[in-house]
Amino acid sequence: QQQVKQSPQSLIVQKGGISIINCAYENTAFDYFPWYQQFPGKGPALLIAIRPDVSEKKEGRFTISFNKSAKQFSLHIMDSQPGDSATYFCAATSNYGGATNKLIFGTGTLLAVQP
Amino acid sequence: KAGVTQTPRYLIKTRGQQVTLSCSPISGHRSVSWYQQTPGQGLQFLFEYFSETQRNKGNFPGRFSGRQFSNSRSEMNVSTLELGDSALYLCASSLIAGDYEQYFGPGTRLTVT
Repeated sequence: QQQVKQSPQSLIVQKGGISIINCAYENTAFDYFPWYQQFPGKGPALLIAIRPDVSEKKEGRFTISFNKSAKQFSLHIMDSQPGDSATYFCAATSNYGGATNKLIFGTGTLLAVQP
Repeated sequence: KAGVTQTPRYLIKTRGQQVTLSCSPISGHRSVSWYQQTPGQGLQFLFEYFSETQRNKGNFPGRFSGRQFSNSRSEMNVSTLELGDSALYLCASSLIAGDYEQYFGPGTRLTVT
């Protein structure tokens, strides 16, 4: 129940296209869903995050869509650029049971944007 | 504002040895979490500290331990190293426990031979 399932494992998109990465969870106590971007040799960088009281959040070219009833959320990267080529991780956490920063991560999606 | 710093960045140890990794959080951040990243298991939570107290611990053997100092800096220790401990160890900081915005350091790449 603590798992976050992420798909696809890898994704190839043409420059200017839309990249879509999906995640699903089981634990209904999760109340914060961040996405992290990781480049080789670097630590994950917080990209965008959403709470379950909204269905969509947009920051620049990055949008999170959230479906509470389906327990799914997704990251959309509009106008994908070669510089977006990285590994993307979804995650989830909850303060239910006590304040914590413990993140449950998905397995990651390796995105390659071809020029 | 400086980000999360981790030292050393790279480390090579032999099986059976022990290792200590260090993490300095973003200035003003009082909560530190540690994660292990491997190709096979992905990103896994090790433990988190707030105000020098361990608040949560992941499913790792007792060989993995940590602590936090009064200046919020944190160390993690792995004793009796095994080959499977080879991984990228990441530290993340946030303002307080339960503050969801966490910022990761570059990690320490540990190789056990």
